[in-house]
Amino acid sequence: ETGVTQTPRHLVMGMTNKKSLKCEQHLGHNAMYWYKQSAKKPLELMFVYNFKEQTENNSVPSRFSPECPNSSHLFLHLHTLQPEDSALYLCASSQVFVQGYGYTFGSGTRLTVV
Amino acid sequence: AQTVTQSQPEMSVQEAETVTLSCTYDTSESDYYLFWYKQPPSRQMILVIRQEAYKQQNATENRFSVNFQKAAKSFSLKISDSQLGDAAMYFCAYRSGISNFGNEKLTFGTGTRLTIIP
Repeated sequence: ETGVTQTPRHLVMGMTNKKSLKCEQHLGHNAMYWYKQSAKKPLELMFVYNFKEQTENNSVPSRFSPECPNSSHLFLHLHTLQPEDSALYLCASSQVFVQGYGYTFGSGTRLTVV
Repeated sequence: AQTVTQSQPEMSVQEAETVTLSCTYDTSESDYYLFWYKQPPSRQMILVIRQEAYKQQNATENRFSVNFQKAAKSFSLKISDSQLGDAAMYFCAYRSGISNFGNEKLTFGTGTRLTIIP
């Protein structure tokens, strides 16, 4: 049990499909994050939620739509994606206002857009 | 903006030997935190070790230790007595020491793939 659970583990979708990624944390953290991990590139921060309010959108295309209904759940809604969106999508959580707190990560969703 | 650089895309080490992974960073802040994360084939990123910039003493966690050179903005990870289970991608990460909204995010390097040779 990692504390941060991501589903599904793998996802293959066509460019016209609509799908959602889910992330759930049971650690009582107050911040949640979506990162995109592509080969040979640094992890790219996509969205930040603090106390379920979005505090950062790192110039992410509108075909990615996040949702945070409460501080324990985070979704990433996907629609009309492009092949270059294929990547590992990682969710993480942490505590804001606690100095030096690191992240707890989920195992990611491997997304393939065909 | 802060940047983190890992100049070694791949490293290999003989089992039971010692290996050092390099990381440099760029920041104008004086208070910050540095992390090393491990990502095995299971894909989950696991925290290996953490260093507070205001502490001169290098952090140590069992076989893992860091060499933190604040003036040089260098933060290397040393793995002693390497084991097969240490094979993974290793990421260096930076976090601002200011704990408020917008400053809590981690900035990562591109990672180093470590292979352990039996």
